[in-house]
Amino acid sequence: GQNIDQPTEMTATEGAIVQINCTYQTSGFNGLFWYQQHAGEAPTFLSYNVLDGLEEKGRFSSFLSRSKGYSYLLLKELQMKDSASYLCAVYGSVSGGYNKLIFGAGTRLAVHP
Amino acid sequence: NAGVTQTPKFRILKIGQSMTLQCAQDMNHNYMYWYRQDPGMGLKLIYYSVGAGITDKGEVPNGYNVSRSTTEDFPLRLELAAPSQTSVYFCASSYSRQTYGYTFGSGTRLTVV
Repeated sequence: GQNIDQPTEMTATEGAIVQINCTYQTSGFNGLFWYQQHAGEAPTFLSYNVLDGLEEKGRFSSFLSRSKGYSYLLLKELQMKDSASYLCAVYGSVSGGYNKLIFGAGTRLAVHP
Repeated sequence: NAGVTQTPKFRILKIGQSMTLQCAQDMNHNYMYWYRQDPGMGLKLIYYSVGAGITDKGEVPNGYNVSRSTTEDFPLRLELAAPSQTSVYFCASSYSRQTYGYTFGSGTRLTVV
């Protein structure tokens, strides 16, 4: 089966750095995605990791350790507009079949002045 | 280029009524998906399709049906609506190579009373 865990809520200060962790247990793994979702809107793609290590994209970085079933999303120089939910999603097959994205419950990040 | 288009944006149904949520994409994506998102929760996969004529169940398929007669369209059918189906429904599409991530529609907010 699939199990994806991430903290429910986090708060941080504008200009600071925040790390959002995600742990997963899956029967098949073909990559991990992070999505950002503002309230009332659709999720938007942030990052994709399939190999171990760090992927950097501007203010956002994502890390993956497949042996530990662990990933984190690092947000630097936080801005008020970064207040949103961050969804960790594993791409894999469940009980055979085609690959598909399975989402965690999401982490609601509140950025304060 | 419209991306993924969902209609309607909002709908109120009475218990026992039926309706079809429409989803269309113009990116020639083979893969299409239907997710539901309950308040404060992550996305749960209802059904998905890897090409015209091919569909399969996701995590929460009960109470729903899908069809995929063309590459562009992937409608979701609710038969005998129940209050438990009150949710926000997102349609998404992707290339078969997962590194590009999913493109989501803007969502349909459904209330069953």
